Amino acid sequence: QVQLQESGPGLVEPLQTLSLTCTVSGGSITSGTYYWSWLRQPAGKGLEYIGRIYSRRSANYNPSLESRVSISEDTSTNQISLTMTSVTAADTAVYYCARVRQQYSDAFDIWGQGTMVTVSS
Amino acid sequence: SYQLTQPPSVSVSPGQTATIACSGDNLGDKYSYWYQQRPGQSPVLVIYQDIKRPSGIPERFSGSNSGNAATLTISGTQAMDEADYYCQVWDSSTVFFGGGTKLTVL
Repeated sequence: QVQLQESGPGLVEPLQTLSLTCTVSGGSITSGTYYWSWLRQPAGKGLEYIGRIYSRRSANYNPSLESRVSISEDTSTNQISLTMTSVTAADTAVYYCARVRQQYSDAFDIWGQGTMVTVSS
Repeated sequence: SYQLTQPPSVSVSPGQTATIACSGDNLGDKYSYWYQQRPGQSPVLVIYQDIKRPSGIPERFSGSNSGNAATLTISGTQAMDEADYYCQVWDSSTVFFGGGTKLTVL
């Protein structure tokens, strides 16, 4: 059973860089039938797509965040990482990593438990 | 930017049928997806490719998509179905979610 676990600092100062890691267990991130994605959800609000990493380490991002985010993979540790620069209070949210299943026309079929990130000084 | 619109809330009595709508321009030309999010929990995929259920999702969950609207239907609604439900599509290689619908089982 594939499981995803997000980790990272719970508190980030404004204008600093946020770095989060998603550890995948029970399966390899290099499987050709899955991509890996990051999403977020501010408290009491809806879901927002951040981006995904897919074949041969290509990635695409939400245009509204593209200038500040980067998603990468580390196959040696089976981890997916998110980096977001110049954060503000508007970036305060629960951050989720999720598996994107190609067989399901790219549905987010497995989600991590999420990690809360607060941007504050 | 592609817009998906959902009603903020829907109420249903136990055992009855709940219907949650999601509207968008020519939504029927895209695949729709639905996620259930119980309070304090991560989202769970309940419908993909408009009408398909992942393994482990009860048969009482069904979906449809045509024209400008997709619909999630929960037949014989149970108390455990009380949750927020989000519709989602892919458009121009990015993802759009509806604002979510809070389903209350009275």
